Amino acid sequence: EVHLVESGGGLVQPGGSLRLSCAASRFTFSSYWMNWVRQAPGKGLEWVANIKQDGSEKYYVDSVKGRFTISRDNAKSSLYVQMNSLRAEDTAVYYCARGSSLTWLTFNFMDVWGKGTTVTVSS
Amino acid sequence: QSALTQPASVSGSPGQSITISCTGTSSDVGGYNYVSWYQQHPGKAPKLMIYEVSNRPSGVSSRFSGSKSDNTASLTISGLQAEDEADYYCSSYRSSSTLVVFGGGTKLTVL
Repeated sequence: EVHLVESGGGLVQPGGSLRLSCAASRFTFSSYWMNWVRQAPGKGLEWVANIKQDGSEKYYVDSVKGRFTISRDNAKSSLYVQMNSLRAEDTAVYYCARGSSLTWLTFNFMDVWGKGTTVTVSS
Repeated sequence: QSALTQPASVSGSPGQSITISCTGTSSDVGGYNYVSWYQQHPGKAPKLMIYEVSNRPSGVSSRFSGSKSDNTASLTISGLQAEDEADYYCSSYRSSSTLVVFGGGTKLTVL
């Protein structure tokens, strides 16, 4: 069964940094766009960022541009997001999700999701 | 305010049908067939239920169907079952720097 497992969440002070990881298994990781989606406590889903199969294209929601950096290591079947200058409003469960299998299609849907990792930004 | 507009809640009795709407603009829902729907039970990860407006992934019940008209997409669940009680989110590709937008979510209650 296709699998995604996030890690790296935790408690961090405002202005701090955190790096989340997502380990993929049982599918050809390098063939898919990959996404990060977050959900603040009691709130809805918010797409955060995605990255092309070869890492050459990256897209972000406006609220994290300049603070978050998405990356991937296809040799390790792993997705990452480096989060800097964290704010209270970044507090959320962060999900890793598999995206498009087409290199030219930046987004169509997300068919496999991890269970999420929780990030809490608080002093 | 979410980019796509969904009703906050809907309800129905077992065996009935319900429809959840998702209204966007010509830059997202109305302009592309990249509307998807996700089911989320409390404390669980979202699950893809419908992709590209009306397609069902393998393993999703045929009781779930999707459609679109102009800038509004819809998810219909027929033959409601207790296990369908969950939050439902629509999502769409958007032709802007944001790229992907979600609706605010709809809480489905099975009476």
